[in-house]
Formats: sequence, C-alpha cells, structure tokens
Amino acid sequence: DAGVIQSPRHEVTEMGQEVTLRCKPISGHDYLFWYRQTMMRGLELLIYFNNNVPIDDSGMPEDRFSAKMPNASFSTLKIQPSEPRDSAVYFCASRTAGQQNTIYFGEGSWLTVV
Amino acid sequence: ELKVEQNPLFLSMQEGKNYTIYCNYSTTSDRLYWYRQDPGKSLESLFVLLSNGAVKQEGRLMASLDTKARLSTLHITAAVHDLSATYFCAVDKGGSQGNLIFGKGTKLSVKP
Repeated sequence: DAGVIQSPRHEVTEMGQEVTLRCKPISGHDYLFWYRQTMMRGLELLIYFNNNVPIDDSGMPEDRFSAKMPNASFSTLKIQPSEPRDSAVYFCASRTAGQQNTIYFGEGSWLTVV
Repeated sequence: ELKVEQNPLFLSMQEGKNYTIYCNYSTTSDRLYWYRQDPGKSLESLFVLLSNGAVKQEGRLMASLDTKARLSTLHITAAVHDLSATYFCAVDKGGSQGNLIFGKGTKLSVKP
C-alpha cells in the first residue's frame, strides 16, 4: 500500500495568500485526521472525518481554516488568508474502525508563511 | 480535559544502557499508542496498547500499560544509536475512534 499521501510536501507562501493542503488516505480507511505540529504546541488534532463526514472540528483554530472531504479518497485543508503563525507541519492520518487499529500518518506538509 | 504528560522530555544516554520513558494521562482511557518520529519525518506507529496490563515488545523496545495508574512506560534495553528519535505517547480521547491526544514527546539521543 502507498500509505497516506500528502501534497505539497513543502510550501512557502506570503501572508494573506490562500493555502490548500491535500491528502489521500489509505484505501479502505474510514477515518481521516488532520493534525498540526509546532514546536510550541506539539501535535494538535484540527479535525477528523468518519466516512467523509466531519465529526469533530473543535481543534480548528479559527474561521480562516476549513477542511473538506468530498469523497473517501480525498481531503483538503484550506487556510485563507494565511498568517505567519500558521507556519507548521500539517499531517494527515487515517485508520480503519476497530480498537486494535492504529493511525497511519502521512509524510506531512511543511508550511511556511512569510 | 484529557492531558498527557511524558517524562523526561529530553534523554541522552549511552549505547548499551537501559532506560524508561513514562507517559501519564489524566482521565480514563483504554487505548494508548506509542509513536516514533525521526527529524523531518512522519510518525511511525510502534505499539497499540488496549487493556490494563498489556505488554508489547519489538526489538529493544517494550511498552506496557497500567490503566489503573493511568501510566504507560516505554522501556529501552541496551540502547543503540539507531534508536535516536523523538518518542510520543498518545491517548484516545474516549468514546471516539482515534481522536488522539499526544504528549509533548521525548527526544532520545543515544551516544556511542
């Protein structure tokens, strides 16, 4: 299996620009998660989906952030407008239902907002 | 609010030595995960611990879970340089399918 696939791997953008991060979960996985990692705050869950439906978006920092999952094989995380404090590594992860199943992480999207 | 605390946050050890990383969490949970992250890389799943008393081992790493004490340990036996990485524990928030709360991580450096 190819694993969780994220794009872009690296992005540098100017403050105020729109940023779209993309994720393809592992085929057959029911759950998809977006995490953000920074030195200051560590790993934080932003939002997660079950069968393409958003279940918990309480971690989304503010209205500038939005996430969609139009189908089982694709999700986006959008930041509009971006700010320097959004600079972080954004991880997408997925898993199947069932207690014994771990969460598999993608390679991450490294975002720098200047 | 579920909190997950790891200690130590930084660990420098010599090859061949043994050490334990601790993970405490604040509310009841039956599922605990350990991950490894190399610099600039993704998180790699090491262990999933599902019940009180669970013990799992892989190579030089052994993880255990005590749900009554709300404590998990990751024991390193005869450390080697290749084990240098950051290790995270994560706890299921409860009632959900994988809404994990992560500890801040333990950065392990194994020196010759």
